[in-house]
Amino acid sequence: DTGVSQDPRHKITKRGQNVTFRCDPISEHNRLYWYRQTLGQGPEFLTYFQNEAQLEKSRLLSDRFSAERPKGSFSTLEIQRTEQGDSAMYLCASSLVDSTDTQYFGPGTRLTVL
Amino acid sequence: KQEVTQIPAALSVPEGENLVLNCSFTDSAIYNLQWFRQDPGKGLTSLLLIQSSQREQTSGRLNASLDKSSGRSTLYIAASQPGDSATYLCAVRPGNTDKLIFGTGTRLQVFP
Repeated sequence: DTGVSQDPRHKITKRGQNVTFRCDPISEHNRLYWYRQTLGQGPEFLTYFQNEAQLEKSRLLSDRFSAERPKGSFSTLEIQRTEQGDSAMYLCASSLVDSTDTQYFGPGTRLTVL
Repeated sequence: KQEVTQIPAALSVPEGENLVLNCSFTDSAIYNLQWFRQDPGKGLTSLLLIQSSQREQTSGRLNASLDKSSGRSTLYIAASQPGDSATYLCAVRPGNTDKLIFGTGTRLQVFP
């Protein structure tokens, strides 16, 4: 399978715990995006990378959130001291900077904070 | 600030009908517009992407049009099938950024 993959697919945690999600983009794609989607809403942009550089962060990305893409391949999104309001689907997408720049999405990680 | 609206929020139609989903956006300065499909609890599947210089794109039974000046796009689905049941999301990429801004989607149910 050469699509975007995310791990884990589901995560249940208790309030106050730290969680980390991983995203593996399509292999030749140099851009990687993180979005968050709550029930009944469209995805909201969190941050994105071009290669290993983090180029933009949303104000939604509080100090408890951090994302990395250390070698310009896979990326991790960490949430520290989780809150119930963090419960959502976290989606990763990747794209190749070309004439279309189509974003391809992974299956998402569903986070439930108890 | 760019805002994206999708109407209707939900739609239920019998199999075989042709249908139109609507998307509107407030700022016409966009780089492209993309339509996605999302099945319950799943990620997004890209259906069609229209560049700002294009008027429409077609893929199989799907046709998407773009009227940038009026801030509107439509997704036309011909001869709908039960397998088309899903949520359809419209997203615009503003001209000055690389992120997508999504609407809240249209939940479509096609019944046999």
